[in-house]
Amino acid sequence: KQEVTQIPAALSVPEGENLVLNCSFTDSAIYNLQWFRQDPGKGLTSLLLIQSSQREQTSGRLNASLDKSSGRSTLYIAASQPGDSATYLCAVKSGGYNKLIFGAGTRLAVHP
Amino acid sequence: GAVVSQHPSRVICKSGTSVKIECRSLDFQATTMFWYRQFPKQSLMLMATSNEGSKATYEQGVEKDKFLINHASLTLSTLTVTSAHPEDSSFYICSARMQGEREKLFFGSGTQLSVL
Repeated sequence: KQEVTQIPAALSVPEGENLVLNCSFTDSAIYNLQWFRQDPGKGLTSLLLIQSSQREQTSGRLNASLDKSSGRSTLYIAASQPGDSATYLCAVKSGGYNKLIFGAGTRLAVHP
Repeated sequence: GAVVSQHPSRVICKSGTSVKIECRSLDFQATTMFWYRQFPKQSLMLMATSNEGSKATYEQGVEKDKFLINHASLTLSTLTVTSAHPEDSSFYICSARMQGEREKLFFGSGTQLSVL
């Protein structure tokens, strides 16, 4: 059974810091991995999607890496801003399942 | 960009009543829609997958008679929580897969259900 874990559960940093959010999964046979952003009481916005054959994806100040063999992914946020404050969720799509398995998320607070 | 509208955003109801939540894809056709629930500080848990014109597929442990899902058209899916109880209080989110797109999911803004 695929399980997704995110560390840390919460993070509070001053503006301008570079951040690393971690995601691990128990079954390395994944189809892809996605990082989402969720604002309080809102739905999800897809940030980055990494296919199983890829090692990383970049979008602006965001960079996500994938090490499928070790069951890990990291989301790197450069030069954090208060507007980055949100919950970041990672989710994996396993080869045998037509659904996403989500982690519990990392709640990020960036203060001025 | 593709937009998924979910309504209502918040609902408070008395125990024993039924609540209907709508999920609409506004500018694309969605052959598949997914319904999730999320408890505070926990991950999204998939409840069911609905395909237009067919019965929904429920995840293990989800009561299909309690959570009625209807996907009557390519742009609308509804989730009805029947005979709601306080333990059904949760945040419910839908997502829609665009026709022809296997990977892209677009999420609604969620519905906070509070059952008194």
